Order: sequence, then structure tokens, then C-alpha cells
Amino acid sequence: GQQVQQSPASLVLQEGENAELQCNFSTSLNSMQWFYQRPGGSLVSLFYNPSGTKHSGRLTSTTVIKERRSSLHISSSQTTDSGTYLCALDITNAYKVIFGKGTHLHVLP
Amino acid sequence: NAGVIQTPRHKVTGKGQEATLWCEPISGHSAVFWYRQTIVQGLEFLTYFRNQAPIDDSGMPKERFSAQMPNQSHSTLKIQSTQPQDSAVYLCASSLDWGVNTLYFGAGTRLSVL
Repeated sequence: GQQVQQSPASLVLQEGENAELQCNFSTSLNSMQWFYQRPGGSLVSLFYNPSGTKHSGRLTSTTVIKERRSSLHISSSQTTDSGTYLCALDITNAYKVIFGKGTHLHVLP
Repeated sequence: NAGVIQTPRHKVTGKGQEATLWCEPISGHSAVFWYRQTIVQGLEFLTYFRNQAPIDDSGMPKERFSAQMPNQSHSTLKIQSTQPQDSAVYLCASSLDWGVNTLYFGAGTRLSVL
């Protein structure tokens, strides 16, 4: 089965609303990363967060290893936040980083 | 630091032709990854090099895909006898080392097989 599951698959917000994106995984891992991808663009790292909580501006990432989940919170969303948010796992004892399918976020003005 | 550089940005091939994609990782990074991205499958892991040595190519379609890293400054992904289903964006990423550092991605090569 799929080792990384992201939810929701898509999300539409009104500008100013908050968003909570989830990443659940079924395997032990060394690290967790969150990436942002603008339509047609490449991936930009938002957080490298193997455990605990990290903040960056309006973004907060929380990873709870024992519960096998990570979340990305976006506060006061802006239209420029629109795009795809992907979580990526660095799997224990495997030399690969695997990605979820992403959450497609659309923020309306 | 110019980031991870991928060339070409776009490549169009006819069915059955060969395609070679290039990646220049960030200087000093020892880990290099190749991924393929499509709307249906999302981001699929293809292969991984560490200090130029191939470590894991479990994601590579075995018959027509091959990857090399002849020196620390570039890696190539070669697809022989391209097929329409190979059409995708191919992404290269590098990191300081595996397992403990952020991945940095290139802009990708969009391959279209007609």
C-alpha cells in the first residue's frame, strides 16, 4: 500500500482563512520534509522537520513520529499560497525519499 | 550558488528515439536523486547516487532507462527508445548528504514523446 498519504487532496479557501494539511505515513523514517510547488514550477523546500514543531512566517510544521503524522498549518492564507504542497519521507534503512501525492491548494481573492 | 541545474528545460522526441537529460547538482552535495513527475502518478523516485556511486535504482524501468554520474558535477538520465508513456517532467535533486539534509530540486526537464 501507499506509504505516504496526504489529505485533503485538494482545498479551496477564501483569502484570510487558515489551512491544515496532513501527511500520514505507514513506515519508520529518518526525516520528513514539506515542499511547495507552484503550477509549472519546481519544488521549494518549506521545512525539514524530522520531529517537533517549526515555524516560518505564516507556516507551521508539526511532526509527531510515534503517531506517524506530520501537519502543515497555513495561517491567514493569501492568493500567492496557491499551489501544491507535498510531504516527503526519508525512509529508515532505504536509500530513497518518497513523496505523497500532494494537497492542491487554491486560495480565492 | 546557482542551485541544481537541469538541461534541457524542454525536450521533444519521436517515439523510438533516445533522450538524454542532464543534471548539475549543487557544488559540494554528495547525494543526487532523480524523480519523474506526472499528474497521475505524482512524484516517483527513480534513482539515487551518493558520492557518484549508484546506491538505489529500484525506481528505474529496467530495460530502457539508465543513469550515470561520471563526476561530482553532473549526472545524466538516458532513456532509450522513448515511448509516449515516458512523457513527464524529470526532476533532479541534490543534498549535502542522504538522510539528514534538505533536498534541493532543479527546475526539471519536460520530456514530450510524440
